[in-house]
Amino acid sequence: AQTVTQSQPEMSVQEAETVTLSCTYDTSESDYYLFWYKQPPSRQMILVIRQEAYKQQNATENRFSVNFQKAAKSFSLKISDSQLGDAAMYFCAYKSGGGADGLTFGKGTHLIIQP
Amino acid sequence: DAGVIQSPRHEVTEMGQEVTLRCKPISGHNSLFWYRQTMMRGLELLIYFNNNVPIDDSGMPEDRFSAKMPNASFSTLKIQPSEPRDSAVYFCASRGQGRYNEQFFGPGTRLTVL
Repeated sequence: AQTVTQSQPEMSVQEAETVTLSCTYDTSESDYYLFWYKQPPSRQMILVIRQEAYKQQNATENRFSVNFQKAAKSFSLKISDSQLGDAAMYFCAYKSGGGADGLTFGKGTHLIIQP
Repeated sequence: DAGVIQSPRHEVTEMGQEVTLRCKPISGHNSLFWYRQTMMRGLELLIYFNNNVPIDDSGMPEDRFSAKMPNASFSTLKIQPSEPRDSAVYFCASRGQGRYNEQFFGPGTRLTVL
């Protein structure tokens, strides 16, 4: 079974600064997808960014980018120019490329933005 | 599009009572997922359906939990009898065809069992 580990229960960053959230995963599969979801206090789960394992290029979405290290099974999220609206729980998630279709989530990182 | 719709948004019940959570997926989506979120265990996949057929229910914690999807636009998650340890936020998500497609989550149902 796949596991996803987020080792930082909480992170704090000054507004406009850059912060990196860590995620590692364990799998024996070669075909899979990785995601970062944001969960603000409203509880809504919002997809931030996704990465296909077969792509070497790191995904980027505006201020959000990932550092995908397949050999190390690491998938960190970098948030540049942090904004107050970025404050939320962030979850790293894994999806198998074939067969199993559900997401396996990490325990999450609570991101605090200091004004 | 209204997105994934869940009802009720909040449910408070007493131990031993039957609880039914409802979900309407996004029109046209053919996969539906039920997740549970607790402080202790985080987000866990309970069950998912493809084309209304349950594919993997290995995450369903006990026989007290059951899920159905009678048609493409409706699913239920039932707990009978409910217990205090079932207190959690239950999310429904749906996904269109294509294995890379994003799962869209509903707003969740916060269940409290007293």
